[in-house]
Amino acid sequence: EIVLTQSPGTLSLSPGERAALSCRASQSVERNYLVWFQQRPGQAPRLLIYGASNRATGVPERFSGSGSGTDFTLTIDRLEPEDFAIYYCQQYSDSLWTFGQGTTVEIK
Amino acid sequence: QVQLQESGPGLVKPSGTLSLICTVSGGSFNNKDWWTWVRQSPGKGLEWIAEFLPNEKTYYNPSLKSRVTISVDKSRNQFSLKLTSLTAADTAIYYCARDHDYGGDTWAFDVWGQGTVVTVSS
Repeated sequence: EIVLTQSPGTLSLSPGERAALSCRASQSVERNYLVWFQQRPGQAPRLLIYGASNRATGVPERFSGSGSGTDFTLTIDRLEPEDFAIYYCQQYSDSLWTFGQGTTVEIK
Repeated sequence: QVQLQESGPGLVKPSGTLSLICTVSGGSFNNKDWWTWVRQSPGKGLEWIAEFLPNEKTYYNPSLKSRVTISVDKSRNQFSLKLTSLTAADTAIYYCARDHDYGGDTWAFDVWGQGTVVTVSS
């Protein structure tokens, strides 16, 4: 089973700043199967990025995904108030989906 | 626009069986998209349970496989989850979602239900 480790656990930033969230895999992950979600309090996860770098429908351009192999990054340019939330990465291999433990982006 | 809605009991007893239904509206089952169950608990975070391609394949999380059954009722546009031998560790928010085929062997859970809270307690 591939384990995803997200860092940092919490990121304290101000609106307008840039956020860089890391997702590190215990083994190489195919780019096609690396996904990022956003979750706001009391809501279901929302798909942001699929295939490591493709924005889902309706996702603002300030969200971007990059990386390959074992290291992936979600970048949020110019944080908006609604971006303060928890972010999860997810991967698929060997017929099993696994999630990272999440990074909380909080207002500084 | 596809929407999903989970339904089921909020409270179940230890050693009992949990039965949840996910109702699909605004769309229907096709030959390309998979349908999945995920749960979220404070202790274990997000955990994928199982997914299926109607009338074809089903994949289970090995850690839950012995206790999980998934089925589909195409006539009602519903699919269901059964989880047996419940313990307090199964207390979680349970979500159903669509695992969408974006082409080029690229997949992602693009539509989620709002989730249903399940508590295992006597």
